[in-house]
Amino acid sequence: ETGVTQTPRHLVMGMTNKKSLKCEQHLGHNAMYWYKQSAKKPLELMFVYNFKEQTENNSVPSRFSPECPNSSHLFLHLHTLQPEDSALYLCASSPLQGGVDTEAFFGQGTRLTVV
Amino acid sequence: KNQVEQSPQSLIILEGKNCTLQCNYTVSPFSNLRWYKQDTGRGPVSLTIMTFSENTKSNGRYTATLDADTKQSSLHITASQLSDSASYICVVSGENILTGGGNKLTFGTGTQLKVEL
Repeated sequence: ETGVTQTPRHLVMGMTNKKSLKCEQHLGHNAMYWYKQSAKKPLELMFVYNFKEQTENNSVPSRFSPECPNSSHLFLHLHTLQPEDSALYLCASSPLQGGVDTEAFFGQGTRLTVV
Repeated sequence: KNQVEQSPQSLIILEGKNCTLQCNYTVSPFSNLRWYKQDTGRGPVSLTIMTFSENTKSNGRYTATLDADTKQSSLHITASQLSDSASYICVVSGENILTGGGNKLTFGTGTQLKVEL
């Protein structure tokens, strides 16, 4: 256990559905991240939140909508997804102001399948 | 463009044997390099973290090396076990010029290791 918890672990949804992924950490970290991991591709950074404020959006389609109500919780709201959005979605957190060995801790991920 | 390349893409070894995984990067300025182990369907877990001044670091049967001049790193696994079967990901952090700490992470595609009996 890394201290970062994601739910659900698995999700199957239709292209017209609306669902949400949840991430929770109680490590005292102030930075939280959403990553997408497709088969045989490196992890792709989607969004970064620092102190609940979104500081980075890597050209992610609007069908992915993040929400960070506080430093401990991060959501990814999904609607009208495409089959190519099927992937492992990973949440991570890290201290915002750290030394050179600052590390991101990852959750177990949500395996999303869009049908 | 910051890039991290890993080789081989996949590797199969017999239990008890040693193996070495490679990582080349072009991230600049450099802050640190991490090796992660990712079991299938799970999030990555850190094995080692190395900063610019460190040449080698061990974590049990895992030993990482770093050559900051050639921008290369390796992960050596000794006496492999079936539980070592996983994807090993090299992750390089660029330096945050404002804070001096780590910044955005650049991930390699990983090496898929399978240990067989």
